This record gives sequence, structure tokens and C-alpha cells, in this order.
Amino acid sequence: DTGVSQDPRHKITKRGQNVTFRCDPISEHNRLYWYRQTLGQGPEFLTYFQNEAQLEKSRLLSDRFSAERPKGSFSTLEIQRTEQGDSAMYLCASSTTRQGGNTIYFGEGSWLTVV
Amino acid sequence: RKEVEQDPGPFNVPEGATVAFNCTYSNSASQSFFWYRQDCRKEPKLLMSVYSSGNEDGRFTAQLNRASQYISLLIRDSKLSDSATYLCVVKIGTGGGNKLTFGTGTQLKVEL
Repeated sequence: DTGVSQDPRHKITKRGQNVTFRCDPISEHNRLYWYRQTLGQGPEFLTYFQNEAQLEKSRLLSDRFSAERPKGSFSTLEIQRTEQGDSAMYLCASSTTRQGGNTIYFGEGSWLTVV
Repeated sequence: RKEVEQDPGPFNVPEGATVAFNCTYSNSASQSFFWYRQDCRKEPKLLMSVYSSGNEDGRFTAQLNRASQYISLLIRDSKLSDSATYLCVVKIGTGGGNKLTFGTGTQLKVEL
């Protein structure tokens, strides 16, 4: 499968614990995005990278959230001291800046449940 | 006010019916427009882009009215497999990557 892959697909954690999600974009896609989706809502933008540079962060990305893409390939999204309100699906997506590459492709998402 | 507004539905329609979804957006700097489809507990997938001249893809027709900041999606001869949530999506500006702003989605249920 050469699509966007995310790991883990499901995570249940206790409030206060840290969690980390990983995203592997489509090969050679230089842009990578993180979105969050809660029940009954559309996905909300969190942040995006072009290569290893984090170019934009949403106000939704509190101090407890950090995203990295150290080598411009895979990315991690860490949530520290999780809260129940963090329960959501975390979606990763990728795209390319090459001509004709305007479409972004989503991974299947990582479901987080904070209990 | 949300940047992209949609009627959440659900729209329950019989198989073979024609159904229309509407969407409004608030930012006049929006440059690109899309409809995404999302099945239950799955990722969103691009259904079609929306152009000012209107565009059609099989049973699906999308329209954009920039003056009214209004986007529509028409599904003809609906199938059971069309049951999903349809997300109205805009991209603001031409730079800044492909950051997309999603509506809350309109749920469609096609019934026998």
C-alpha cells in the first residue's frame, strides 16, 4: 500500500498520559498535514510541514501538542498530559508541490480515546 | 460564524432520488473548492473539485457561486452506496500549502 499510513490506528489512554502518533506520507510528497476530527464535526487543521519545516500551526495546537518531521519524511504528533477533550480522530495527509499535485490524500486516521 | 457552513442533515432519500446539498463560506479570499466524501469512521476522500463554470462527474454535479459564496452538490439517481457524509471544503488563498477548511458535513442516507 503506497498511501498515507498512520500508527497506531487506535489508542486508549488514561488522562494525564502522553501519546504519540506517527504518520508516513506518500513517498516523495513534501507536504504533510495534521488534522483533528471530533464526532459530528469536519476535520480541523492543526499544522503542516513542507519538507522538515513546520510552516503553520493552528490556534487549536495548544502547548501540550507538538509535531515534528525531522527528516522531511515521516512525522510524529505528540500530545502531553492528555485530557478527555483530546479524544478525537487524528488525521494525517500529504501532498506534493509538483505541478498538478494540488490534491491532498488522507491516511485512515488514528483514533484516540482518553479515559 | 463558522467559515464553512452546511446543513448537517441527515437527508434520508429513496434509491433513485435526486438530492442536493448546499454550503456557504464566509471568507471571500477562498480560492479553491471541493466536495469530499467520508464514510463512517473512515478518512475523507476527494469526491470532486468545484469550478465556477460548474462541473459534472457522472451522477454528481457541483456548482459554485462566488458572488453569493455558495457551493452546491447535486446527486442524481442516488444509490445505496452513496450513503455517507459529504464535506464541503474550501482552500483560502493560493499560498500556504493546501490547508483546507472543512464544513461539518451533511449526512446522506439512501434507502430502499
